[in-house]
Amino acid sequence: AQSVTQLGSHVSVSEGALVLLRCNYSSSVPPYLFWYVQYPNQGLQLLLKYTTGATLVKGINGFEAEFKKSETSFHLTKPSAHMSDAAEYFCAVSDARTNFGNEKLTFGTGTRLTIIP
Amino acid sequence: EAQVTQNPRYLITVTGKKLTVTCSQNMNHEYMSWYRQDPGLGLRQIYYSMNVEVTDKGDVPEGYKVSRKEKRNFPLILESPSPNQTSLYFCASRGLADLQETQYFGPGTRLLVL
Repeated sequence: AQSVTQLGSHVSVSEGALVLLRCNYSSSVPPYLFWYVQYPNQGLQLLLKYTTGATLVKGINGFEAEFKKSETSFHLTKPSAHMSDAAEYFCAVSDARTNFGNEKLTFGTGTRLTIIP
Repeated sequence: EAQVTQNPRYLITVTGKKLTVTCSQNMNHEYMSWYRQDPGLGLRQIYYSMNVEVTDKGDVPEGYKVSRKEKRNFPLILESPSPNQTSLYFCASRGLADLQETQYFGPGTRLLVL
């Protein structure tokens, strides 16, 4: 069984400040890990994913995340927040044993990011 | 333009009246999925499909059916909707484009069951 915990349902940061969104996962098998972004009234967009190899993963819009197996974490960061980053962010996990996961994705409950001008 | 389309976008219905939400993708993707999104619960996977005629249950399949007769279409069927199926539904597809994996979500279908 897999699960994802996103600490903080709401996070506010000032424009230009560091963005840090936390994600911890639980998985009995090697995980694939994902971050998605959802802008208001839109579907989800894949920001980045960790499958194998380098544990620091770079995604779109300047975001990156680091897979830390010892901490079972996959936190999302961006050095400098922009107003356009305001959205809801979801962390997700799937089973790595079957290529890009077996398509059975388990999502966290989401973190709403607000940018303060 | 690569896209996932869902219809209808908004639907109000009554308990017990069968309905179908269609999902279509134009990217020849093998993998398709359905999710529901509820406040405080995030997205939960209902069903997914690895290819034509291959479907499997996600985390919350009860009360839903799917079919995958063609690669491009993956309809979600509610045989007897109930108020607890009031939700925002997303269809997604995933596959290769120019040797890169791509994933797209549809715009969502907001369903209210009275």
